Amino acid sequence: AQSVSQHNHHVILSEAASLELGCNYSYGGTVNLFWYVQYPGQHLQLLLKYFSGDPLVKGIKGFEAEFIKSKFSFNLRKPSVQWSDTAEYFCAVNAGGNTGKLIFGQGTTLQVKP
Amino acid sequence: DGGITQSPKYLFRKEGQNVTLSCEQNLNHDAMYWYRQDPGQGLRLIYYSQIVNDFQKGDIAEGYSVSREKKESFPLTVTSAQKNPTAFYLCASSMGTDAGYTFGSGTRLTVV
Repeated sequence: AQSVSQHNHHVILSEAASLELGCNYSYGGTVNLFWYVQYPGQHLQLLLKYFSGDPLVKGIKGFEAEFIKSKFSFNLRKPSVQWSDTAEYFCAVNAGGNTGKLIFGQGTTLQVKP
Repeated sequence: DGGITQSPKYLFRKEGQNVTLSCEQNLNHDAMYWYRQDPGQGLRLIYYSQIVNDFQKGDIAEGYSVSREKKESFPLTVTSAQKNPTAFYLCASSMGTDAGYTFGSGTRLTVV
């Protein structure tokens, strides 16, 4: 069965530190990949997505992610985090077919200390 | 503004009662989805619908039911057969199979 794994469940950083959240998926075919963010008290919103082309994709608020096909990975990065980045982050994959179903990882809670 | 409305935001029910969660969208999206979010488990798919009058079970459909009589609406009923109904429920919609989702703000259901 297809699955998505996020290695870090809870990350604590100080402001200005660099961030990398891991995401691996299990599916050998063509995938569409997503990162969503859920700020405290707000609904889930799309950070960035990868469908094809340049494996380094840039999203909102200075986030970027790199698709490495050989490693089945789609890690999220940000060079310098801010207190306002405190949120829960979800990686998701649409692993083919025509259903549009997204499979989500377990989520990573990021806490940024001012 | 277009979006997805879930109501109510908080819902309390007694054990053994069925309860229906509302999800309405005005985005003209064909596909709609229900997910359940539990701490440490991410989002798990309950049911989804790609078109009016059609829906399919997701990974954890037992104890839930849905209907899709209108394009805009995809209500979820949590039945008394659901063993652990207390959770945060998220509704989403999508333009197509390769598109991402637009999410609602969620309904937190507590069964006592």
